[in-house]
Amino acid sequence: GQSLEQPSEVTAVEGAIVQINCTYQTSGFYGLSWYQQHDGGAPTFLSYNALDGLEETGRFSSFLSRSDSYGYLLLQELQMKDSASYFCAVRDGQGGKLIFGQGTELSVKP
Amino acid sequence: EPEVTQTPSHQVTQMGQEVILRCVPISNHLYFYWYRQILGQKVEFLVSFYNNEISEKSEIFDDQFSVERPDGSNFTLKIRSTKLEDSAMYFCASSEGPANEAFFGQGTRLTVV
Repeated sequence: GQSLEQPSEVTAVEGAIVQINCTYQTSGFYGLSWYQQHDGGAPTFLSYNALDGLEETGRFSSFLSRSDSYGYLLLQELQMKDSASYFCAVRDGQGGKLIFGQGTELSVKP
Repeated sequence: EPEVTQTPSHQVTQMGQEVILRCVPISNHLYFYWYRQILGQKVEFLVSFYNNEISEKSEIFDDQFSVERPDGSNFTLKIRSTKLEDSAMYFCASSEGPANEAFFGQGTRLTVV
């Protein structure tokens, strides 16, 4: 089967750093993406890793280890507006299909 | 900034009725997708569409569902004979290529009563 595991919820304070982990087991793997979703709105693309290593985009970084079937999203200098659900998603084939995890609800407290 | 647009934002329909959800993908994108999200759950893949045909579909996408690109801009999802369990948020997405970032629309909230 295909599965992605990520924590259901994480709480942190403003200004802190938080890491959201994702492990995956899929029939194919063409990269790991991260999406942010506020209150059931449109999932918004954050980052994509096709190769091992760290990708940095402003306050957000994403890491991938294909040998461990593991990745994480790192959010730095947390702001209240970062409170949202974060989904990891595997691109499992050449057609672009995304398989999503269950999502991690991040709550940022003052 | 270009965006994927979906209409309507909300749709309420009676069980057994047909609904058509509409999407306008980003103009230079070639790959189109439909996903759905039942309230409180994860986003689930329904179907991908490229070169005017379905390239992949999930187990959810049974004979009740169909997609069409009726003209050069619209991409539609039709659900025949809706069921209560079809109630969900339906997202359209598009990308330039299969390895490119997928942009999602704001979604259509479908409620079947």
